[in-house]
Amino acid sequence: GAVVSQHPSWVICKSGTSVKIECRSLDFQATTMFWYRQFPKQSLMLMATSNEGSKATYEQGVEKDKFLINHASLTLSTLTVTSAHPEDSSFYICSAQGGGGVYTQYFGPGTRLTVL
Amino acid sequence: DQQVKQNSPSLSVQEGRISILNCDYTNSMFDYFLWYKKYPAEGPTFLISISSIKDKNEDGRFTVFLNKSAKHLSLHIVPSQPGDSAVYFCAASAMYGGSQGNLIFGKGTKLSVKP
Repeated sequence: GAVVSQHPSWVICKSGTSVKIECRSLDFQATTMFWYRQFPKQSLMLMATSNEGSKATYEQGVEKDKFLINHASLTLSTLTVTSAHPEDSSFYICSAQGGGGVYTQYFGPGTRLTVL
Repeated sequence: DQQVKQNSPSLSVQEGRISILNCDYTNSMFDYFLWYKKYPAEGPTFLISISSIKDKNEDGRFTVFLNKSAKHLSLHIVPSQPGDSAVYFCAASAMYGGSQGNLIFGKGTKLSVKP
């Protein structure tokens, strides 16, 4: 149980385009979903927290107009990187909370974004 | 200011022996702690957690110990297996501090278990 999927697993796009990443909780309802970013050889950095049906809460330094988060249902959250630039290239990981352990976050497999 | 610290970036252990991964934290509001295992280019996998009302939690080969007075926790893996080789992240959360359970991660410790 407590499986989280992400799609796509990797994406290459041109600078200036927008990219949407989906995060789904497959076998439980996620009251809260989180979006992280990981740079090479560094820890996970929380970008934003989203609750179903409400606006996401962004961490300091994260541009909410650039990283659009939609949490339309208890099993789906999306992250859209708008007008992507090479510096947005990174590994994006989502997690979902509300599974077997109430406070435990279960992570998706991640999405590798490369912006040319 | 790093609230969760994993001071050993790497650890090498012989197969069959015990692996001990350490984690220190500074925020006394943290009341829930988790360990995750991560392979390159994959999302973290939840291993084990512990609430601040306990000092030990065991699940198979994995045991987490919490010393609240020292603000220290450790993950013991025994016996260690080559498949345990990965990066281990310690994470902490202040569930009753209004943070919605946001996890604060350490920088990770890369464990290598040698046959």
